[in-house]
Amino acid sequence: NAGVTQTPKFQVLKTGQSMTLQCAQDMNHNSMYWYRQDPGMGLRLIYYSASEGTTDKGEVPNGYNVSRLNKREFSLRLESAAPSQTSVYFCASSEWLADYEQYFGPGTRLTVT
Amino acid sequence: GQQVMQIPQYQHVQEGEDFTTYCNSSTTLSNIQWYKQRPGGHPVFLIQLVKSGEVKKQKRLTFQFGEAKKNSSLHITATQTTDVGTYFCAAVSNFGNEKLTFGTGTRLTIIP
Repeated sequence: NAGVTQTPKFQVLKTGQSMTLQCAQDMNHNSMYWYRQDPGMGLRLIYYSASEGTTDKGEVPNGYNVSRLNKREFSLRLESAAPSQTSVYFCASSEWLADYEQYFGPGTRLTVT
Repeated sequence: GQQVMQIPQYQHVQEGEDFTTYCNSSTTLSNIQWYKQRPGGHPVFLIQLVKSGEVKKQKRLTFQFGEAKKNSSLHITATQTTDVGTYFCAAVSNFGNEKLTFGTGTRLTIIP
């Protein structure tokens, strides 16, 4: 079991460029999440998906889009990157009604110049 | 929206000293979780508290959920270098709502 995997691990973008962060889980979880982590601000929820085919906004969705491609995969897209989106991005998954615990991927460190 | 305050932001302790981090919410919580993130790593689940006044222990770690379900604490007895990292509380406001609201975290450093 790989758990939750994320690609890429590191990325540098120029302002205005676009990119997609990929996330996959092999635990057959229904719920998946995207967070960003900035110094002193903890983890903030960008988008989440309670089940395949559904997505909902979190606390900081502006500038991002998501796709729940299937039960395993949940991608995060930055259409026009801005320096304010420099952050560490974590994907997580959970089977909420089973054990509540969220399992996190290793993270993607994104720098926008 | 839901806000969860966590204090202190940083804590430096000598190895062997105790450590406590506190988590406070302005609203009543359904349950609360605690996560640990090692430097350069990702958050890892430690525990979930559900009942009012609940106390759970994991070796040197003691977790408490307040009677009013608005606050929680994590206490580490006799810290070791392996305890280094950032500890986050994460609150669930409504049962059945799978969204977590994370506290800002307490970064623990150990002076050997």
